[in-house]
Amino acid sequence: QKEVEQDPGPLSVPEGAIVSLNCTYSNSAFQYFMWYRQYSRKGPELLMYTYSSGNKEDGRFTAQVDKSSKYISLFIRDSQPSDSATYLCAMSNTDKLIFGTGTRLQVFP
Amino acid sequence: GAVVSQHPSWVICKSGTSVKIECRSLDFQATTMFWYRQFPKQSLMLMATSNEGSKATYEQGVEKDKFLINHASLTLSTLTVTSAHPEDSSFYICSATLAGEQFFGPGTRLTVL
Repeated sequence: QKEVEQDPGPLSVPEGAIVSLNCTYSNSAFQYFMWYRQYSRKGPELLMYTYSSGNKEDGRFTAQVDKSSKYISLFIRDSQPSDSATYLCAMSNTDKLIFGTGTRLQVFP
Repeated sequence: GAVVSQHPSWVICKSGTSVKIECRSLDFQATTMFWYRQFPKQSLMLMATSNEGSKATYEQGVEKDKFLINHASLTLSTLTVTSAHPEDSSFYICSATLAGEQFFGPGTRLTVL
């Protein structure tokens, strides 16, 4: 069993839709939870960072962590074509990041 | 701020040759840098942790004699793929740590013929 599981998609939605991206994990020691966005042939860029359980909102993005279920989510409201990218979840309990496989998102006009 | 660059952005080489990839933190100093490998439609897999002035720490299953890492200064780490083979073809990404956050480079696409 992988430490971090993420549906690879692809996920295709119309502009303006609410997008839900999810990851599950098996290591209960993870304390730090991140979402990265990666455009094709580019390095990942940090979108959201959450410590332990709870919600965090930043503009159109909301990150949720449920440690009891070992489940994290990223919601994107009013999705835009520019949001089209691969979204990777990552988590850690040290300085090493464990990544999910990434979900490819396509937002069409 | 917190920009990380990689050079080259892509490289094609013949089987058996060695390839060096540079990772630079442009506007900050990083005592720790990480090297990842990403195969198509797969996750970033940590290869090694590079610490300035000391030997790199390799993840299980990564051959240290094949993937040579040198972190000679606080702004530069290099990854050398020695005697590259087609199965080494991948996207190699580095990151540098600043205040606990990892900032990623744009990646290097290696193709071994």
